[in-house]
Amino acid sequence: GQQVMQIPQYQHVQEGEDFTTYCNSSTTLSNIQWYKQRPGGHPVFLIQLVKSGEVKKQKRLTFQFGEAKKNSSLHITATQTTDVGTYFCGGSQGNLIFGKGTKLSVKP
Amino acid sequence: DGGITQSPKYLFRKEGQNVTLSCEQNLNHDAMYWYRQDPGQGLRLIYYSQIVNDFQKGDIAEGYSVSREKKESFPLTVTSAQKNPTAFYLCASSWGVPMNTEAFFGQGTRLTVV
Repeated sequence: GQQVMQIPQYQHVQEGEDFTTYCNSSTTLSNIQWYKQRPGGHPVFLIQLVKSGEVKKQKRLTFQFGEAKKNSSLHITATQTTDVGTYFCGGSQGNLIFGKGTKLSVKP
Repeated sequence: DGGITQSPKYLFRKEGQNVTLSCEQNLNHDAMYWYRQDPGQGLRLIYYSQIVNDFQKGDIAEGYSVSREKKESFPLTVTSAQKNPTAFYLCASSWGVPMNTEAFFGQGTRLTVV
């Protein structure tokens, strides 16, 4: 069945450093969504990518969807302590199948 | 104030007992979902429903049951057949399946079975 792999599982950075998480699917996706879950909270939608090669930016966050629509990345420039949390990608071929997430910790 | 509500936030049950988790939404969404979250395991789909009186099994449906008698409500029952029920359960809703629009998640219910 469809699988979505996400790496790394954990990332510890110093405040101000950049951060990237990668998402790879075993099959071509119709779209990919990214969510952020703060510690003790619930996932909150960040963005959806639909087109092959699409790049979207939200302030310090840059999201990319691969040309083959099988991979995606989220890059955060100059991390802040407010970026702490777990970032999930969700790939859709029908239902949304989530990766295991990347847990980001930021040291002030 | 629109949203998706799960209750209770924390739930304790004895082993062998069935327990029902509540999920209500007033977003007029057609689709509703139940996910289970374990440390390091991400979000795994238990059941989903596209319309009233219809639902489908997800990847880990064994030991769980659901109903969808009303559009707004999608309760999940964790039965005694579920071998490892202790987990964080998240309900979500969206405009439809396939999930081509954002999913709204509830606050979650943390179930502990002792």
